[in-house]
Amino acid sequence: QQQVKQSPQSLIVQKGGISIINCAYENTAFDYFPWYQQFPGKGPALLIAIRPDVSEKKEGRFTISFNKSAKQFSLHIMDSQPGDSATYFCAAGYGAGSYQLTFGKGTKLSVIP
Amino acid sequence: ETGVTQTPRHLVMGMTNKKSLKCEQHLGHNAMYWYKQSAKKPLELMFVYNFKEQTENNSVPSRFSPECPNSSHLFLHLHTLQPEDSALYLCASSQDYGTGNSPLHFGNGTRLTVT
Repeated sequence: QQQVKQSPQSLIVQKGGISIINCAYENTAFDYFPWYQQFPGKGPALLIAIRPDVSEKKEGRFTISFNKSAKQFSLHIMDSQPGDSATYFCAAGYGAGSYQLTFGKGTKLSVIP
Repeated sequence: ETGVTQTPRHLVMGMTNKKSLKCEQHLGHNAMYWYKQSAKKPLELMFVYNFKEQTENNSVPSRFSPECPNSSHLFLHLHTLQPEDSALYLCASSQDYGTGNSPLHFGNGTRLTVT
């Protein structure tokens, strides 16, 4: 199974709030889980990534939480800002190889003042 | 220019036209990719080139024909397209192919409309 299921499809958060996006996967062979951020008119850009040997990774206001037994991982954006408004894609891959990434359908985040 | 550059940004073509999309990367990467992005669907990998050699073709219809003359340039030749081929076509590159710590760097895409 190659599918990566992402939810919610869209999310509206108040400025200063916490944005949470969830992803679930089925293939236990996946061992690399990146998140990409895409602004309108731009291509996706790598935001943060995690490997299954850790349960959490934090970079600034962005945190990935990983639950290997549940085959789920999530992106938390603390103190969300209007500049965070973008579409976020989770992905899963083998051995950090770019060519075998399976992407979720994306979550459109809107942070309102 | 830095990063990954795609031209044109927008393209409208009829079903009988022939057109080409161009991608150039200024990152010194060895692998280049074409992805298709459609609304409410996951990014779909179309083709992968590593050191100018095609290594992946994900069952893409023959009306899409890639070309990679060198590690910095990638083309997607289009002919006899269908309206359902309308989408954002993204080019990406990575330092290495299939190895660790080699994230994808995307261009800003070509918005293709087939009429």
